[in-house]
Amino acid sequence: GAGVSQTPSNKVTEKGKYVELRCDPISGHTALYWYRQSLGQGPEFLIYFQGTGAADDSGLPNDRFFAVRPEGSVSTLKIQRTERGDSAVYLCASSQRGGDTGELFFGEGSRLTVL
Amino acid sequence: EDQVTQSPEALRLQEGESSSLNCSYTVSGLRGLFWYRQDPGKGPEFLFTLYSAGEEKEKERLKATLTKKESFLHITAPKPEDSATYLCAVRGGSNYKLTFGKGTLLTVNP
Repeated sequence: GAGVSQTPSNKVTEKGKYVELRCDPISGHTALYWYRQSLGQGPEFLIYFQGTGAADDSGLPNDRFFAVRPEGSVSTLKIQRTERGDSAVYLCASSQRGGDTGELFFGEGSRLTVL
Repeated sequence: EDQVTQSPEALRLQEGESSSLNCSYTVSGLRGLFWYRQDPGKGPEFLFTLYSAGEEKEKERLKATLTKKESFLHITAPKPEDSATYLCAVRGGSNYKLTFGKGTLLTVNP
């Protein structure tokens, strides 16, 4: 596809369950970011991949959150033992190299609701 | 820690009524200030990058300017289709992450 694709677009789960959110970046983009956006807030950085490796995971809130990008393309954000406070829109973005120009291409997000 | 504060939180304009949005920032070693537009239910869409004080960028009815402490997004003769949330972000130091402000919700009435 032409843009960043995220699935599912909506996910409703119960407290304590495990969820996976998938991001398919623009072909050829080596840099991939995950952000989280709560209502009325700006996007909050979670993790940055350059290729297959997590170059900066300083934004992951705790060890329940984990992300992988095994082949340097598709990435999965994994959340264990979900809590109500995890409810938010999870945004994925990709860019060429490190995105030095600041031009990140965002997907439409996965809205996670934890009941 | 990088910080971005945007004002006002919300702005309502009549079509054709020019105004400005403000972004104040604190960053160690600015490597870029960025403006994004976000429509409801969508991801942010890149508008501009500014690198140094005095720099200006224009796109249609939008013009972004930068000083050492803040950036302004000037909107000239806005149209209803300019209604969106405008996000400001900075990148500092040696990292690649963007730190975003909370955004300004702009509504342009016909």
